[in-house]
Parts: sequence; C-alpha cells; structure tokens
Amino acid sequence: AQSVTQLDSHVSVSEGTPVLLRCNYSSSYSPSLFWYVQHPNKGLQLLLKYTSAATLVKGINGFEAEFKKSETSFHLTKPSAHMSDAAEYFCVVSEVGSNTGKLIFGQGTTLQVKP
Amino acid sequence: ETGVTQTPRHLVMGMTNKKSLKCEQHLGHNAMYWYKQSAKKPLELMFVYNFKEQTENNSVPSRFSPECPNSSHLFLHLHTLQPEDSALYLCASSPKIEDRGLYEQYFGPGTRLTVT
Repeated sequence: AQSVTQLDSHVSVSEGTPVLLRCNYSSSYSPSLFWYVQHPNKGLQLLLKYTSAATLVKGINGFEAEFKKSETSFHLTKPSAHMSDAAEYFCVVSEVGSNTGKLIFGQGTTLQVKP
Repeated sequence: ETGVTQTPRHLVMGMTNKKSLKCEQHLGHNAMYWYKQSAKKPLELMFVYNFKEQTENNSVPSRFSPECPNSSHLFLHLHTLQPEDSALYLCASSPKIEDRGLYEQYFGPGTRLTVT
C-alpha cells in the first residue's frame, strides 16, 4: 500500500531565503507524486506532479521537486521565498493499481514566511 | 467560469436542517470527488464518481448523500448533521479514473460548513 510522510509540520523561513519542504513516500509500484498548496480558506492548487518522466520536476511559482527513488523522497524546493508563499503544502501519492483514482495525502506542512 | 466551482462558500445549519452543497466543473472531466477537510486531520476522501457512477463510498455516514446527475455536476445532500461534521468540504475532478493513477485532481475552493 502507498503512504506519504511529510517530515515537518511547520517550516519557517525569511523572505528571500530558500525553501525546503520534505516528503517521503512508500509505494510498491512506480508512484505518481504531487505537491499541492492551500492558501487560507481556499481549495488546493496543484504545484507540480511527477509521473515517471524527468526526475526533476518544475512547477508553478518557481517551485520544483526532485524524485529520488533510492531515498523514496520527493522534496519540494524554491530558491527564494516570497511572502505570498505562506500557505499549507501537501505531498500526495496516487494509489496505483486500483481503479478508484484515490489520492493519499500527507499531513501537510505549514510554511511561514517572515519579512 | 473556469475550473471547479462550489456553492455556497459558507453554510451554517442546525442539526435538523436539510441542505445541499453543489459542485460544478468546467474542465470536461469525467471523474468527480468529495473530500472532507477537518482541522488537524488529513484530507478524507468521501465519495468518488466516474462517468456519473459511484465507484467509492469511503464508509461515510448516511446523513451525507451524494448525487451526480452528469459528469459536470456533483451534489452533497446533508441532513441531520452533527457538530463534528463541521469542516471544509472540497470537491475535485480529474479527466477520468485511470488504473495507474496518472491524473491529478483539480479542486474547488470548498464550502465551509458549520453545524450548530
């Protein structure tokens, strides 16, 4: 069965400094992995996705993530944080091998950006 | 309108009321989903519809009743809810349900439900 663990529940960075949000997954198959962002009182927006093509995936708003099979990781990074990046981030793995379309969500990481 | 829309955005209801949440997707997708998001808890998948047919009911209490009249619309009918049902209810859609799980889901803004 697939699972996903976000290693930090809360990350705080200063504006202009790099962002690293960590995610580890468990999957018996080649997984599809996603990062979503949720701003307060809003729905979830897809940042980027990995579906077994290039291991370095570029997303919107300057975010990118690298799929590392040997480490079972899919960490999200951004070179320079902006105040508008403050939000909740979810690492998600798609349940492969079923026909339910089920997504398995991590617990979420709250990103705080200080001026 | 584009994307996935949900109405109402906020709803306050008593435990004896009956209300409905509406979701509409303008993306030409065939699969639609209801999720519950409670504070401090991961997103909970409630229902899945694929080509208007329900493919999953994730042990949801019968006081929640989904309806999918066509691939673009999804409803969640609510009756005799409990205070613990207060949460953000999110609707999502995807092109279809595909065995290898390649398709991401697109989410609406959610309905903030408060049960008093």
